[in-house]
Amino acid sequence: GAVVSQHPSRVICKSGTSVKIECRSLDFQATTMFWYRQFPKQSLMLMATSNEGSKATYEQGVEKDKFLINHASLTLSTLTVTSAHPEDSSFYICSALPFRLAGEGDTQYFGPGTRLTVL
Amino acid sequence: KNQVEQSPQSLIILEGKNCTLQCNYTVSPFSNLRWYKQDTGRGPVSLTIMTFSENTKSNGRYTATLDADTKQSSLHITASQLSDSASYICVVSSFRSYGKLTFGQGTILTVHP
Repeated sequence: GAVVSQHPSRVICKSGTSVKIECRSLDFQATTMFWYRQFPKQSLMLMATSNEGSKATYEQGVEKDKFLINHASLTLSTLTVTSAHPEDSSFYICSALPFRLAGEGDTQYFGPGTRLTVL
Repeated sequence: KNQVEQSPQSLIILEGKNCTLQCNYTVSPFSNLRWYKQDTGRGPVSLTIMTFSENTKSNGRYTATLDADTKQSSLHITASQLSDSASYICVVSSFRSYGKLTFGQGTILTVHP
């Protein structure tokens, strides 16, 4: 099955530092990857859509200069939280959309998530 | 506005019992509906996916139903196990926005021994 990995799984950093989160599709190529954040007991909220070789598309209210997204290859997208603050503490989840496979439709495969804690 | 609403918000059952979770949606034009299981601190894992022409789909002890006319779906879990304790999320996609999903808020299921 399609597997998506994220690294790191947990990160604790000091306020003002930057943190990079990697999202990799391990056994398929993904032209599109998505980044979500999830607060406790809430559902996933889409932050941005990342397309390989082009600029990411951010959802309304998400600061593109704070959440830098790079989709440098068909298997890797990175999210960098710049100048992190305690309010950025959250669970960040990526998903990858494979090339359209017969019968798969637009199935996204989710990574295991990254828990970010900013002190 | 595309919306997905789930009920109940949370549910507690005893191990071995059955339960049914509900999902109502207003997403249009409808493409497909998925049920995901999300364990605490983990990413969502797909359980079932259904298009408008499918009424029922099973995956082991999980059975999902879809009524595209009333825009309702249910997820039935039989013979619950402790490992079924998780959040179950109903997710709907539209033809109009390829790849963008509308998430329900989830139902938190707790299975007690």
